[in-house]
Amino acid sequence: DIQMTQSPSTLSASVGDRVTITCRAGQTISTWLAWYQQKPGKAPNLLIQKASSLESGVPSRFSGSGSGTEFTLSISSLQPDDFATYYCQQYYTYPVTFGGGTEVEIK
Amino acid sequence: EVQLLESGGGLVQPGGSLRLSCAASGFTFSTYAMSWVRQAPGKGLEWVSSLRGGGDSSTFYADSVKGRFTISRDNSKNTLYLQMNSLGAEDTAVYYCAKGIDYIYQCIDVWGKGTTVTVSS
Repeated sequence: DIQMTQSPSTLSASVGDRVTITCRAGQTISTWLAWYQQKPGKAPNLLIQKASSLESGVPSRFSGSGSGTEFTLSISSLQPDDFATYYCQQYYTYPVTFGGGTEVEIK
Repeated sequence: EVQLLESGGGLVQPGGSLRLSCAASGFTFSTYAMSWVRQAPGKGLEWVSSLRGGGDSSTFYADSVKGRFTISRDNSKNTLYLQMNSLGAEDTAVYYCAKGIDYIYQCIDVWGKGTTVTVSS
């Protein structure tokens, strides 16, 4: 199984901050990586697929980069609506695996 | 509008069975890969099972559910199922029905609201 390791697990930030979340894959997954945002009590929402392709309707302050085993999700200027938990997911092979999540909380 | 609506969750005793259903609408159901993803209370996302679309009948399971859970679809009813047998406390979670971005890949672009399964005596 491909282990996905996210860091940090919790991130404290203020509105307007630039934040970066890292996701490391246990083996190369090319760019078969997605990022999701989840708010409490809600289903996840797809932000980025193929490592860097922004989904329609997702604000441009979100961006993704990376390939192989190292990936990042960046938020250029954190907004109040962005406080949530973020997950990476590899879909290169089965079993599909998710990272442990990064909770972005208000500083 | 693309929608997924899960049903069938509830309280079940250890060792019991449950069948989840997911009614899909707003897209050509048969052509897309579909999955079940679960989330235990206070925990992260865990992929459970997937099956491909487009006439490919391939199914895939997490090791934690292999041999106990069965995923299936009825394209005539636009419905996805998850038959869950030999349930244990570790299966307690919100179960999400999820649509893949195409017939093969399990990048999920649409999620249902989830149905809660509680395994307890």
